[in-house]
Amino acid sequence: NAGVTQTPKFQVLKTGQSMTLQCAQDMNHEYMSWYRQDPGMGLRLIHYSVGAGITDQGEVPNGYNVSRSTTEDFPLRLLSAAPSQTSVYFCASSRPVGRFANTEAFFGQGTRLTVV
Amino acid sequence: SQQGEEDPQALSIQEGENATMNCSYKTSINNLQWYRQNSGRGLVHLILIRSNEREKHSGRLRVTLDTSKKSSSLLITASRAADTASYFCATNTDKLIFGTGTRLQVFP
Repeated sequence: NAGVTQTPKFQVLKTGQSMTLQCAQDMNHEYMSWYRQDPGMGLRLIHYSVGAGITDQGEVPNGYNVSRSTTEDFPLRLLSAAPSQTSVYFCASSRPVGRFANTEAFFGQGTRLTVV
Repeated sequence: SQQGEEDPQALSIQEGENATMNCSYKTSINNLQWYRQNSGRGLVHLILIRSNEREKHSGRLRVTLDTSKKSSSLLITASRAADTASYFCATNTDKLIFGTGTRLQVFP
């Protein structure tokens, strides 16, 4: 099993450009999420999804869109890139246990994004 | 603001010593999880403790949870240089929210 796969690993964007970060998992996990990690800030939740067709905002959703058309894929779209979105982005998936809990999260290796 | 705050932010110890990291959080939770991150890599799950549990062990790891104080601690016993990493707590409700992390440096 590949686990959680993120592409690309590195990306440089110009201010105002748009792009999509890809995330795919092969563990049939219902819960998927996107985080950004900045120096000294830990991981901050951008958006998450509890299943296909369902998404919700996290702590820092502004400037990002998501959709969940399949269980396997959870792409993150930057609508108009800004230097403040320079960060390392992580995708994660996990299996829900009941309505408001999840088991361990599996993480991708991250996408390092620079906006100039 | 982030749910979890960890203390200390950085910790340096010698091999063989114990390392203790603390996590405080703000709201009721279903479980609390600890993760490890080596520099430049993704996070790896270490241990999960449910809200009705007070203590849990896994190898050299010991986790405690005090829901009345909204706090948890991670103890790594007999540390090794290979334990050098950042450690994060994460609180689980309908989503998983991470703390700010503790950077652990273990010197040989």
